[in-house]
Amino acid sequence: DAGVIQSPRHEVTEMGQEVTLRCKPISGHNSLFWYRQTMMRGLELLIYFNNNVPIDDSGMPEDRFSAKMPNASFSTLKIQPSEPRDSAVYFCASSSRGQNTEAFFGQGTRLTVV
Amino acid sequence: GDSVTQMEGPVTLSEEAFLTINCTYTATGYPSLFWYVQYPGEGLQLLLKATKADDKGSNKGFEATYRKETTSFHLEKGSVQVSDSAVYFCALSDVKDTGRRALTFGSGTRLQVQP
Repeated sequence: DAGVIQSPRHEVTEMGQEVTLRCKPISGHNSLFWYRQTMMRGLELLIYFNNNVPIDDSGMPEDRFSAKMPNASFSTLKIQPSEPRDSAVYFCASSSRGQNTEAFFGQGTRLTVV
Repeated sequence: GDSVTQMEGPVTLSEEAFLTINCTYTATGYPSLFWYVQYPGEGLQLLLKATKADDKGSNKGFEATYRKETTSFHLEKGSVQVSDSAVYFCALSDVKDTGRRALTFGSGTRLQVQP
C-alpha cells in the first residue's frame, strides 16, 4: 500500500487566494483526520471524519476553513481566503475503526501564504 | 477533556546515552497509548503502542510501559544513536460513550543525539 497520499507537498500562495489541500487515505480505513502543525501551537486536530461523515470539527479555526470527504478515498481541506497566519504544515491521517488502531500519517503539505 | 503532557525539549544526548522522555496523560475513559516519531520533513510514524495497563510496547530498541496508576507512558531507550534524532510525540486514543473517537497528541519532544 502506498500509504496516505497528500498533495501538493508544498504550496506558496498570496494572501486572499483560495487554497485546496488533498488527501487520499489508505484503502479500507474509515477514519480520516486533518491536523495542522506549527512551531507555536504544535500539532492541532482540525477535523475528523468517520465513514465520510464529519464527526468533530471543533478544531477548525474559523469559517475560512472547510473540509469535505465526498467518498472513502478522497478528502479536501480548503482555505478561502488564505491569510499569512495560515502558514503551517497540514497533515492528513487515516486509521481503521477502534481506539486501539494507530493513525497513519501522510507526508504533509507545507503551506506558505505571503 | 483528554490531554497529554510531555517533557519540554530539546533533549540533547551523546551517542550511546540512555534516553527517557516523560509522558503523562489525562483521560476520562481507558485509552490506548502511542509514541510517534517525526523525522525532519516527514509525517509522523508510529513507533510503538500499548492498549492496556502494564502492557509494554517496544520497537527499534525503544520501550514504553502503560502505567495506569501513575497515568504515564514514558519512552526509554538504552543506547541512542545519531539516527534517533527526531521529534517524539506521545498520544492517546479514546472512544467516548457517544462513539466519537479522540486522538490526542502531546506537544512533542525534540531529541538531538551528538556523535
